[in-house]
Amino acid sequence: KAGVTQTPRYLIKTRGQQVTLSCSPISGHRSVSWYQQTPGQGLQFLFEYFSETQRNKGNFPGRFSGRQFSNSRSEMNVSTLELGDSALYLCASSSDGRAGGEQYFGPGTRLTVT
Amino acid sequence: AQSVTQLDSQVPVFEEAPVELRCNYSSSVSVYLFWYVQYPNQGLQLLLKYLSGSTLVKGINGFEAEFNKSQTSFHLRKPSVHISDTAEYFCAVSENDYKLSFGAGTTVTVRA
Repeated sequence: KAGVTQTPRYLIKTRGQQVTLSCSPISGHRSVSWYQQTPGQGLQFLFEYFSETQRNKGNFPGRFSGRQFSNSRSEMNVSTLELGDSALYLCASSSDGRAGGEQYFGPGTRLTVT
Repeated sequence: AQSVTQLDSQVPVFEEAPVELRCNYSSSVSVYLFWYVQYPNQGLQLLLKYLSGSTLVKGINGFEAEFNKSQTSFHLRKPSVHISDTAEYFCAVSENDYKLSFGAGTTVTVRA
């Protein structure tokens, strides 16, 4: 079974631009979560989608948004990029979205904002 | 809201020696506890998890962890490390939803 895939793996953008990151979960998984990883703030939860509905959202500004498609693939969008948005963005999928269930992480997209 | 504290940011250890990574959490409700490992330029891989039941949890690659409710701790141990265990380790907690709250991470460096 293929793992979680994220595209692109690396991205360089300029301040003020917007960016879209993509995540394809493991086949059959219906829950997708997004996390931001930075040296200063560590791993922080962005949001979680289950069957195309956002169920949970972290403490991030409205510039961060996401969606999930009917095939469970998910995208996250960051508008008006700031230097502080430079980070590794990880997505994780799980089969049923149960609390305590195992989440499988992708390799991440490394975003650099200049 | 839950929070996680990993008490050591860096742990150097010699090959074949034991290692313990310390994790404390705070929460007002029952929690689920996890340890993840991250190798360079990779995502996170689950080592083990505690949901309920036996307080000693065994995971992959010879790791185990013990849940201590009175001390709100979930320390990770391995009796004998290998060079390949060099990585960053994260303790995480979730309450009654799917959101994981992570500790700051512990970098383990195994030396020959």
